[in-house]
Amino acid sequence: DTGVSQNPRHKITKRGQNVTFRCDPISEHNRLYWYRQTLGQGPEFLTYFQNEAQLEKSRLLSDRFSAERPKGSFSTLEIQRTEQGDSAMYLCASSPHLSLNTGELFFGEGSRLTVL
Amino acid sequence: EDQVTQSPEALRLQEGESSSLNCSYTVSGLRGLFWYRQDPGKGPEFLFTLYSAGEEKEKERLKATLTKKESFLHITAPKPEDSATYLCAVYNAGNNRKLIWGLGTSLAVNP
Repeated sequence: DTGVSQNPRHKITKRGQNVTFRCDPISEHNRLYWYRQTLGQGPEFLTYFQNEAQLEKSRLLSDRFSAERPKGSFSTLEIQRTEQGDSAMYLCASSPHLSLNTGELFFGEGSRLTVL
Repeated sequence: EDQVTQSPEALRLQEGESSSLNCSYTVSGLRGLFWYRQDPGKGPEFLFTLYSAGEEKEKERLKATLTKKESFLHITAPKPEDSATYLCAVYNAGNNRKLIWGLGTSLAVNP
């Protein structure tokens, strides 16, 4: 399967613990995006990378969130000191395009986080 | 403020009963409007891109149209497998790094 892969698919953690999600984009896709989605809402932008460079991070994003994309391949999203409000589906998407002109993002199946 | 509004929030149809979903937008300098389909527990799947008023795109039972203020996703003779949430997103000239998403329309097609 050459689609976007996310791990783990489900994570249940206790409040205050750290969690890390991994995304493996489609090979050679330059852009990688992280989104967060809660039930009944559209995807909420978190951050995006062009190759290994993190070009933008949402102003709404707490400093407990950090993302990396070493070597411009896979990416990790870490949430420190989780809170119940962090419970959501975390979606990763990649695109071969240098701009959003086509709007075509390839999404993974997401990592669902539940914070108890 | 740039905004995307989808209606209705939820729609239930009988198999074969055609209908339309609406996506209205207020953005400055629209560069593109996109439709995605999302199945429960999965990531969104790209359907269409529309760039200018009057443009239409078709795929199987789906047809997307665009005006200067809104887009419609027409579903002709839907089948149960068309049941999903349909998301609309826009991309504008002043925000070239991320899409602005609507909340989606949840479609259920009964056999």
